[in-house]
Amino acid sequence: QVQLQESGPVLVKPSQTLSLICTVSGGSISSGADYWSWIRQHPGKGLEWIGFIYHSGSAYYKPSLKSRVSFSVDTSKNQFSLNLSSVTAADTAVYYCARGPQISSGNAFDFWGQGTTVTVSS
Amino acid sequence: DIQMTQSPSSVSASVGDRVTITCRASQGINSYLAWYQQKPGKAPYLLIYSASTLQSGVPSRFSGSVSGTEFTLTISSLQPEDFATYFCQQAKSFPLTFGGGTKVEI
Repeated sequence: QVQLQESGPVLVKPSQTLSLICTVSGGSISSGADYWSWIRQHPGKGLEWIGFIYHSGSAYYKPSLKSRVSFSVDTSKNQFSLNLSSVTAADTAVYYCARGPQISSGNAFDFWGQGTTVTVSS
Repeated sequence: DIQMTQSPSSVSASVGDRVTITCRASQGINSYLAWYQQKPGKAPYLLIYSASTLQSGVPSRFSGSVSGTEFTLTISSLQPEDFATYFCQQAKSFPLTFGGGTKVEI
């Protein structure tokens, strides 16, 4: 059973960079068929997909966030990371990492981390 | 981006009721649609993918169907543990997008 766990600062100051790590257990991040995503949920709102990264390092970013987002992967630690620069209060959200889009599950997200709440405030 | 419109935004129901939630895509997505259940303070949980395929371990009272660009999630007999918020997600094209959610409450 694949498990994911987010970690990182819960409070980030405006204009700074939000950095989160997702640690994967119960499976290898280097599995050829797997993509790994970041998804966020603003307080009391719906879900927003930020993008995905593949173990090779190739990534897709949601166009509206592309100028501020970058992902990286560390296969030796079975981790992948999110960096979101120049944050504002509008980036306050629960951030989830997830496995997907999973081809074997119709491009859905089949395993999720528990989520971490990040607040942008001075 | 493909817009996903869910309705209703909330529904009041009782244990044993049949509940139907609808999701409409702004353009054709074939059967590339997933449904998730989310309980307060928890991550979403995949229920159905490819419009009608039940994820392993999901009770059979959950079912999904499609007619054109309109997708339906049905809970045939609502159980206490089913009170939650449900989201749809289109999986046809990037960026992947979600519906606004439907809260199923007592």
